[in-house]
Amino acid sequence: QQQVRQSSQSLTVWEGETAILNCSYENSAFDYFPWYQQFPGEGPALLIAIRSVSDKKEDGRFTIFFNKREKNLSLHIKDSQPGDSATYFCAGTGANTGKLTFGHGTILRVHP
Amino acid sequence: GPKVLQIPSHQIIDMGQMVTLNCDPVSNHLYFYWYKQILGQQMEFLVNFYNGKVMEKSKLFKDQFSVERPDGSYFTLKIQPTALEDSAVYFCASSSTDTLYFGAGTRLSVL
Repeated sequence: QQQVRQSSQSLTVWEGETAILNCSYENSAFDYFPWYQQFPGEGPALLIAIRSVSDKKEDGRFTIFFNKREKNLSLHIKDSQPGDSATYFCAGTGANTGKLTFGHGTILRVHP
Repeated sequence: GPKVLQIPSHQIIDMGQMVTLNCDPVSNHLYFYWYKQILGQQMEFLVNFYNGKVMEKSKLFKDQFSVERPDGSYFTLKIQPTALEDSAVYFCASSSTDTLYFGAGTRLSVL
Protein backbone atom coordinates (compact mmCIF):
# COMPACT_ATOMS: atom_id res chain seq x y z
CA GLN A 1 0.00 0.00 0.00
CA GLN A 2 1.57 3.24 -1.16
CA GLN A 3 0.44 5.79 1.41
CA VAL A 4 2.25 8.72 -0.18
CA ARG A 5 2.29 8.82 -3.94
CA GLN A 6 4.28 11.11 -6.22
CA SER A 7 2.75 11.30 -9.65
CA SER A 8 5.96 11.70 -11.64
CA GLN A 9 9.10 9.62 -11.42
CA SER A 10 10.98 12.35 -13.25
CA LEU A 11 10.47 15.87 -14.52
CA THR A 12 12.55 18.00 -16.86
CA VAL A 13 12.22 21.77 -17.14
CA TRP A 14 14.27 24.59 -18.63
CA GLU A 15 16.07 27.10 -16.49
CA GLY A 16 13.72 29.90 -15.47
CA GLU A 17 10.54 27.80 -15.74
CA THR A 18 8.34 26.78 -12.82
CA ALA A 19 8.66 23.13 -11.89
CA ILE A 20 5.55 21.54 -10.37
CA LEU A 21 5.86 18.32 -8.40
CA ASN A 22 2.67 16.59 -7.34
CA CYS A 23 1.96 14.37 -4.36
CA SER A 24 -1.08 12.66 -2.87
CA TYR A 25 -1.63 10.75 0.35
CA GLU A 26 -4.10 8.27 1.80
CA ASN A 27 -3.81 8.57 5.56
CA SER A 28 -6.27 11.13 6.92
CA ALA A 29 -4.30 11.24 10.17
CA PHE A 30 -1.35 12.89 8.45
CA ASP A 31 -1.09 16.53 9.45
CA TYR A 32 2.48 17.50 8.58
CA PHE A 33 3.94 17.31 5.09
CA PRO A 34 7.63 18.06 4.52
CA TRP A 35 9.38 18.03 1.18
CA TYR A 36 12.93 16.77 1.22
CA GLN A 37 15.60 17.47 -1.39
CA GLN A 38 18.29 14.87 -2.01
CA PHE A 39 21.45 15.22 -4.09
CA PRO A 40 23.37 12.12 -5.22
CA GLY A 41 25.51 10.69 -2.46
CA GLU A 42 23.87 12.79 0.23
CA GLY A 43 21.09 12.37 2.72
CA PRO A 44 17.72 14.07 2.25
CA ALA A 45 17.52 17.63 3.53
CA LEU A 46 14.35 19.42 4.54
CA LEU A 47 13.37 21.96 1.90
CA ILE A 48 9.96 23.23 3.04
CA ALA A 49 7.03 21.86 5.01
CA ILE A 50 3.34 22.57 5.57
CA ARG A 51 0.80 21.68 8.20
CA SER A 52 -2.70 20.57 7.26
CA VAL A 53 -4.29 23.69 8.80
CA SER A 54 -2.74 25.74 5.98
CA ASP A 55 -3.35 25.63 2.26
CA LYS A 56 -0.20 27.41 1.18
CA LYS A 57 3.35 27.80 2.41
CA GLU A 58 5.93 29.93 0.66
CA ASP A 59 9.67 30.17 1.20
CA GLY A 60 11.56 32.10 -1.44
CA ARG A 61 11.22 30.32 -4.77
CA PHE A 62 9.52 27.30 -3.18
CA THR A 63 5.77 27.09 -2.53
CA ILE A 64 3.60 24.25 -1.29
CA PHE A 65 -0.08 24.22 -2.24
CA PHE A 66 -2.15 21.91 -0.07
CA ASN A 67 -5.67 20.57 -0.60
CA LYS A 68 -6.89 18.71 2.46
CA ARG A 69 -10.21 17.69 0.96
CA GLU A 70 -8.56 16.11 -2.06
CA LYS A 71 -5.60 14.80 -0.04
CA ASN A 72 -3.04 16.21 -2.40
CA LEU A 73 -0.30 18.78 -2.42
CA SER A 74 2.19 20.18 -4.84
CA LEU A 75 5.60 21.79 -4.68
CA HIS A 76 6.18 24.68 -7.04
CA ILE A 77 9.74 25.77 -7.76
CA LYS A 78 9.74 29.17 -9.42
CA ASP A 79 12.57 30.33 -11.67
CA SER A 80 14.16 26.86 -11.67
CA GLN A 81 17.95 26.76 -11.63
CA PRO A 82 20.31 23.96 -12.72
CA GLY A 83 21.35 23.71 -9.07
CA ASP A 84 17.78 22.65 -8.24
CA SER A 85 18.38 19.38 -10.12
CA ALA A 86 17.88 16.73 -7.45
CA THR A 87 15.41 14.15 -6.21
CA TYR A 88 12.46 15.56 -4.30
CA PHE A 89 10.61 13.46 -1.77
CA CYS A 90 7.16 14.27 -0.51
CA ALA A 91 6.45 12.88 2.96
CA GLY A 92 3.67 12.79 5.51
CA THR A 93 3.34 12.16 9.21
CA GLY A 94 0.82 12.62 11.95
CA ALA A 95 0.35 13.00 15.66
CA ASN A 96 3.91 14.14 16.35
CA THR A 97 5.29 10.65 15.81
CA GLY A 98 8.18 11.81 13.68
CA LYS A 99 7.70 8.67 11.62
CA LEU A 100 7.76 10.00 8.09
CA THR A 101 6.18 8.08 5.23
CA PHE A 102 7.95 9.01 2.01
CA GLY A 103 6.85 8.93 -1.58
CA HIS A 104 9.06 7.33 -4.23
CA GLY A 105 10.60 10.64 -5.16
CA THR A 106 10.63 12.77 -8.30
CA ILE A 107 13.91 13.32 -10.11
CA LEU A 108 13.99 16.92 -11.29
CA ARG A 109 16.36 17.96 -14.06
CA VAL A 110 16.72 21.64 -14.86
CA HIS A 111 18.38 22.26 -18.20
CA PRO A 112 20.35 25.50 -18.65
CA GLY B 1 22.44 23.37 9.58
CA PRO B 2 22.67 20.61 12.17
CA LYS B 3 24.74 17.64 11.09
CA VAL B 4 24.17 13.95 11.55
CA LEU B 5 27.30 11.89 10.93
CA GLN B 6 27.25 8.29 9.77
CA ILE B 7 30.19 5.96 9.95
CA PRO B 8 31.28 4.24 7.75
CA SER B 9 30.06 5.64 4.45
CA HIS B 10 30.37 2.24 2.78
CA GLN B 11 30.55 -1.24 4.27
CA ILE B 12 31.09 -4.46 2.35
CA ILE B 13 30.54 -7.73 4.16
CA ASP B 14 29.85 -11.36 3.44
CA MET B 15 26.36 -12.75 3.90
CA GLY B 16 25.88 -14.15 7.38
CA GLN B 17 28.34 -11.79 9.06
CA MET B 18 27.36 -9.20 11.61
CA VAL B 19 27.50 -5.50 10.81
CA THR B 20 27.08 -2.40 12.97
CA LEU B 21 26.19 0.92 11.43
CA ASN B 22 27.04 3.97 13.50
CA CYS B 23 25.29 7.29 13.75
CA ASP B 24 26.33 10.41 15.60
CA PRO B 25 23.09 12.39 15.92
CA VAL B 26 22.66 16.12 16.48
CA SER B 27 23.77 16.77 20.04
CA ASN B 28 20.56 17.98 21.68
CA HIS B 29 18.18 15.72 19.78
CA LEU B 30 16.21 13.09 21.62
CA TYR B 31 14.53 11.14 18.83
CA PHE B 32 16.47 8.85 16.52
CA TYR B 33 15.50 6.97 13.40
CA TRP B 34 16.78 4.51 10.85
CA TYR B 35 15.53 4.46 7.27
CA LYS B 36 16.41 2.12 4.42
CA GLN B 37 16.72 3.21 0.80
CA ILE B 38 17.19 0.78 -2.07
CA LEU B 39 18.68 1.93 -5.41
CA GLY B 40 17.79 5.62 -4.93
CA GLN B 41 14.12 4.80 -4.42
CA GLN B 42 11.89 5.84 -1.58
CA MET B 43 13.11 5.95 1.95
CA GLU B 44 11.42 3.31 4.06
CA PHE B 45 11.02 3.67 7.80
CA LEU B 46 12.70 1.00 9.90
CA VAL B 47 12.56 2.12 13.51
CA ASN B 48 12.44 5.08 15.85
CA PHE B 49 14.01 5.34 19.27
CA TYR B 50 13.47 7.60 22.25
CA ASN B 51 14.64 7.59 25.82
CA GLY B 52 16.56 4.39 25.41
CA LYS B 53 13.66 2.47 23.88
CA VAL B 54 12.29 1.47 20.53
CA MET B 55 9.05 3.40 20.01
CA GLU B 56 7.89 1.89 16.77
CA LYS B 57 9.29 -0.47 14.16
CA SER B 58 8.15 -1.46 10.69
CA LYS B 59 7.82 -4.86 9.06
CA LEU B 60 11.24 -4.24 7.49
CA PHE B 61 12.82 -4.26 10.94
CA LYS B 62 13.50 -7.97 11.06
CA ASP B 63 14.42 -9.99 14.13
CA GLN B 64 18.02 -9.85 12.99
CA PHE B 65 18.02 -6.07 13.50
CA SER B 66 18.65 -4.27 16.76
CA VAL B 67 19.28 -0.68 17.80
CA GLU B 68 20.80 0.94 20.83
CA ARG B 69 22.43 4.11 22.05
CA PRO B 70 24.52 3.21 25.08
CA ASP B 71 25.17 6.19 27.37
CA GLY B 72 24.73 8.93 24.78
CA SER B 73 27.31 7.55 22.40
CA TYR B 74 26.62 6.47 18.84
CA PHE B 75 23.13 5.39 17.89
CA THR B 76 23.74 2.03 16.25
CA LEU B 77 21.92 -0.36 13.96
CA LYS B 78 23.19 -3.91 14.19
CA ILE B 79 22.28 -6.63 11.73
CA GLN B 80 23.13 -10.18 12.74
CA PRO B 81 23.25 -12.21 10.59
CA THR B 82 23.13 -10.22 7.38
CA ALA B 83 21.26 -11.38 4.26
CA LEU B 84 21.63 -10.40 0.60
CA GLU B 85 18.41 -8.38 0.73
CA ASP B 86 19.91 -6.17 3.42
CA SER B 87 22.02 -4.48 0.75
CA ALA B 88 20.84 -0.86 0.68
CA VAL B 89 21.71 2.60 1.91
CA TYR B 90 20.79 3.07 5.54
CA PHE B 91 20.05 6.59 6.69
CA CYS B 92 20.10 7.70 10.27
CA ALA B 93 18.07 10.73 11.34
CA SER B 94 17.53 12.65 14.53
CA SER B 95 15.04 15.26 15.64
CA SER B 96 13.85 17.35 18.52
CA THR B 97 10.66 18.52 16.79
CA ASP B 98 8.95 17.57 13.52
CA THR B 99 12.05 18.21 11.43
CA LEU B 100 14.20 15.17 10.84
CA TYR B 101 17.85 15.74 10.03
CA PHE B 102 19.42 12.97 8.01
CA GLY B 103 22.97 11.78 7.72
CA ALA B 104 24.62 11.07 4.37
CA GLY B 105 23.91 7.36 4.72
CA THR B 106 25.90 4.15 4.94
CA ARG B 107 25.91 2.04 1.81
CA LEU B 108 25.82 -1.60 2.89
CA SER B 109 26.80 -4.21 0.35
CA VAL B 110 26.19 -7.81 1.37
CA LEU B 111 27.98 -10.30 -0.88
